[in-house]
Parts: sequence; structure tokens; C-alpha cells
Amino acid sequence: AQSVTQPDIHITVSEGASLELRCNYSYGATPYLFWYVQSPGQGLQLLLKYFSGDTLVQGIKGFEAEFKRSQSSFNLRKPSVHWSDAAEYFCAVGGYNNNDMRFGAGTRLTVKP
Amino acid sequence: DAGITQSPRHKVTETGTPVTLRCHQTENHRYMYWYRQDPGHGLRLIHYSYGVKDTDKGEVSDGYSVSRSKTEDFLLTLESATSSQTSVYFCAISPDRGSEQYFGPGTRLTVT
Repeated sequence: AQSVTQPDIHITVSEGASLELRCNYSYGATPYLFWYVQSPGQGLQLLLKYFSGDTLVQGIKGFEAEFKRSQSSFNLRKPSVHWSDAAEYFCAVGGYNNNDMRFGAGTRLTVKP
Repeated sequence: DAGITQSPRHKVTETGTPVTLRCHQTENHRYMYWYRQDPGHGLRLIHYSYGVKDTDKGEVSDGYSVSRSKTEDFLLTLESATSSQTSVYFCAISPDRGSEQYFGPGTRLTVT
């Protein structure tokens, strides 16, 4: 069965520092991969997605993610974090079937001034 | 932002009462979903719809039913609410099968 693991429940980084959020997935076919961000009391906003092609994908707000099939990973990165990036981040894996989408438990990001 | 609204945004209800949550979209997307979000679990799919009157179960469908009589509306009903259904409920839409999903603002439901 498909699943997503986000190993870090909570990460704290200083403003201006680089960021990497980890995501590992299990999926029996070619995965569709997503990163979402959720601010407190809000819905989820799509940051980026991977369906096929170039394994390094660019998203909104300066985020990027790299798909590594050999490691079953889809880690999210940002070179320089801003205070407004503080939020919860969710990785998701899906496929062609509509009921295949699975979300990780989330990583909460705190940004220190 | 995708045009998705959810109503109500907050609701407190008693155990055993029926509850209906509404999701309304203005994007004319074919696919609609209901998720619940609980700490430590991320989002889990309750039910989804792939067209008017076409629905199917998700990962955690027990105790929930859905209906879709119009493209723009997707209703989630708790026939007899239980405390375990206290959660934040999100509606999502997508234009194509397997594509990215766009989420509504959520409904916080408390069952006392």
C-alpha cells in the first residue's frame, strides 16, 4: 500500500539559512509527488508537483524538490528561509487513481529571527 | 486561489446528531474530495466524487456519506456524529484524474 513518511515532526531554522525537508514514499507504480504548505487555520496550498521528466522541480515561493527514485525520496529545499515560511509542510504521493493520494503527517517549520 | 468555499467554518454538535458539511466550487472541476485532518495523521481521504452522482469511498469512510447532485456542490454527512469524528475537514478539487488538488479553507467540527 502507498504511504508517505516525513521523518521530522518539527524543524527550527534561522532566517536566511537553507532548508531541507525530507519525504520518503512507498508506491507500487510511477508516483505523482506533491508538496503542500499550510499556515495556521488555513487550507493547504500547492508548492510544487512532480509527474514525470526533469527530477528537479521548481515551485512557488522559491522552493524546489528533487525526485530520487533509487531512494524513494522527494525532499523539499529552499536556499534561504524567510520568516513568512514558518508553517506546516506536507508531502503527498498519488497516482492515476483518485483514491490513491496519501499524505505524510507533516513537518512543522519554525523560523528563528 | 481556486474558488472553493466550505460551510460552516466551525461547528459544535452533540454526539448522536446528524451533521452536514458543504463544499462549493466555482472552478467547474470534475473531481471533488473530502479529507479529515488529525494531528499525527496528515490528511486522510474520506470520500471522493468523479462526477455528478458518482462517488466512491476513501481510506476512512466508515460513519460518513456523501452526495453530489450538482457539479459545484459536494456534501459530507455524518449520520450520527461521534466524538471520534471531531476533526478538521477539508474539501479539495482537481481538474483531472490524478492531478494536483486544490483545497478549501476547512471546517472545524467538534462533537461533544
